[in-house]
Amino acid sequence: GAVVSQHPSRVICKSGTSVKIECRSLDFQATTMFWYRQFPKQSLMLMATSNEGSKATYEQGVEKDKFLINHASLTLSTLTVTSAHPEDSSFYICSARVGARDTQYFGPGTRLTVL
Amino acid sequence: AQSVTQPDIHITVSEGASLELRCNYSYGATPYLFWYVQSPGQGLQLLLKYFSGDTLVQGIKGFEAEFKRSQSSFNLRKPSVHWSDAAEYFCAVYLGGATNKLIFGTGTLLAVQP
Repeated sequence: GAVVSQHPSRVICKSGTSVKIECRSLDFQATTMFWYRQFPKQSLMLMATSNEGSKATYEQGVEKDKFLINHASLTLSTLTVTSAHPEDSSFYICSARVGARDTQYFGPGTRLTVL
Repeated sequence: AQSVTQPDIHITVSEGASLELRCNYSYGATPYLFWYVQSPGQGLQLLLKYFSGDTLVQGIKGFEAEFKRSQSSFNLRKPSVHWSDAAEYFCAVYLGGATNKLIFGTGTLLAVQP
């Protein structure tokens, strides 16, 4: 149990375009979902926390107008990278959990490359 | 400030040898502690977790970890490493209350020699 999927697994886009990444909890209802960014050979950097039906909470230094997060249902959250630039190229990972003290389960990640 | 430290950036062990990956945390309250493993280009898989109770926790793939409050440590161990264990390992602590998030250590990259 506790499977989280992400789509797409890889995406290549041109600079200036927008890219949407989906994160789904397949076998549980996730009240909270998280979006992380990981640079090569580094740890995970939390970008934002989203609760179903409410606005996401962004970490300091993360541009909320650039990284749009929507948590429309208990099983789906989306991250849209707007007007992507090469510096946005990275590995994006989502995670989901049921309650505040529950385990976070992670998706397989999405590799974004902006040309 | 709350933090998680993994002192070893890179460890190499021989297949069949024992393994211990170190993790120290700084957190005022009783911690919820986790170990995750990440294979190249993949997401994170939960190995084990400690919430309360028995301080020796068993996980998947033959891993275990011991919570030592006096040392603020949660070291990961495996008695006999397999080549498929080569991966990046992350220790994490859950910060409750208003913070409500996991913070991760910087990771330890494990290489396994034949």
